[in-house]
Amino acid sequence: SQQGEEDPQALSIQEGENATMNCSYKTSINNLQWYRQNSGRGLVHLILIRSNEREKHSGRLRVTLDTSKKSSSLLITASRAADTASYFCATDEETSGSRLTFGEGTQLTVNP
Amino acid sequence: ETGVTQSPTHLIKTRGQQVTLRCSSQSGHNTVSWYQQALGQGPQFIFQYYREEENGRGNFPPRFSGLQFPNYSSELNVNALELDDSALYLCASSGPGPQATNEKLFFGSGTQLSVL
Repeated sequence: SQQGEEDPQALSIQEGENATMNCSYKTSINNLQWYRQNSGRGLVHLILIRSNEREKHSGRLRVTLDTSKKSSSLLITASRAADTASYFCATDEETSGSRLTFGEGTQLTVNP
Repeated sequence: ETGVTQSPTHLIKTRGQQVTLRCSSQSGHNTVSWYQQALGQGPQFIFQYYREEENGRGNFPPRFSGLQFPNYSSELNVNALELDDSALYLCASSGPGPQATNEKLFFGSGTQLSVL
């Protein structure tokens, strides 16, 4: 079953604009991760935020985590056409042991 | 490049057949996880192997089975294929050490399986 629900399902913006994607989850987590997938290929790890962290940055990426609301957001600043991809949040649940539970993903299109 | 390779990239099978998908993990990673991704969906966890032992399983029937070998290679076997098994199958390696198994997964490019 899907733990994460992502919003929006699809997002279309112009190059240079910022893109924000949201993820909600249901159970207590150890960490939350964001992955990117190009055209049905393999996923690439972008960033991890632990349950005791509230915000993390990596280059043009900014991730926030609100464990009280069980939600996270991924901000991509100054987007480029090459950022066009599907973005997934994945949670490492406290009771899951071995699995990551992925959301349904947000399809981001950045128009040149 | 993630250092994780999968073969074959595409496969077409008939309902009822059996299939073996292969994965070569990144060197030094002793954990491999397999995921099924249906079109337009997020990946679903099938199972994980750590040091050649199954270390967790998702909600998949026993006809989905796996093996992990000491040389960082692994297999996903699916018996009695059904139409709904059509999907992209992804393997992901992580590690070393059990603490790192879920902290950053390195995915292969996947095997696209079509069951007719």
